[in-house]
Amino acid sequence: DADVTQTPRNRITKTGKRIMLECSQTKGHDRMYWYRQDPGLGLRLIYYSFDVKDINKGEISDGYSVSRQAQAKFSLSLESAIPNQTALYFCATSDHRGSGEQYFGPGTRLTVT
Amino acid sequence: AQKVTQAQTEISVVEKEDVTLDCVYETRDTTYYLFWYKQPPSGELVFLIRRNSFDEQNEISGRYSWNFQKSTSSFNFTITASQVVDSAVYFCALGRVRGSNYKLTFGKGTLLTVNP
Repeated sequence: DADVTQTPRNRITKTGKRIMLECSQTKGHDRMYWYRQDPGLGLRLIYYSFDVKDINKGEISDGYSVSRQAQAKFSLSLESAIPNQTALYFCATSDHRGSGEQYFGPGTRLTVT
Repeated sequence: AQKVTQAQTEISVVEKEDVTLDCVYETRDTTYYLFWYKQPPSGELVFLIRRNSFDEQNEISGRYSWNFQKSTSSFNFTITASQVVDSAVYFCALGRVRGSNYKLTFGKGTLLTVNP
């Protein structure tokens, strides 16, 4: 089984709808991250969490919110989806005892129409 | 500010050719890490290598090799005798050291196409 899982893998939604993307990990890592990937722009950090009680905004947090329900779960919400939030979303984890390498989930392809 | 530049947007080679992917970074930190990730057509991101800023030794792993030069702020990746399975987008990333290592700054990626 994959160490970092994301659900759903694909989602099409309409403008204005609320949507939640979920991430779970079995790696035992304390740090979790949400990124979005757009063609030609690489990966940009949306939110990150060092532990259950610590949540921080990344470089593009507007329009998004997150919840760290447990050490192993980190969800991303779009309160009112808009078309320019159409992207590939990745969850990642890392261990504070490591050297910074992050391990990524398989991604969620979100389309907002 | 941290910045990673991958000047090559796309590279196309024929199988068995050697290919080098360039990565140039900017940071004011004296201690940092550098990473390469591979994103094959299936979409997942695969961690390839991590390099500590104190360790400028080149590294080789099979057909892959990495050349870290602090003097030129570069961390280039070479694939020897490329294969079709090497076709992917490759990302270089820069990270801060442990303790504040909460964020990786990614380059925009290089799309490598290896043709049979």
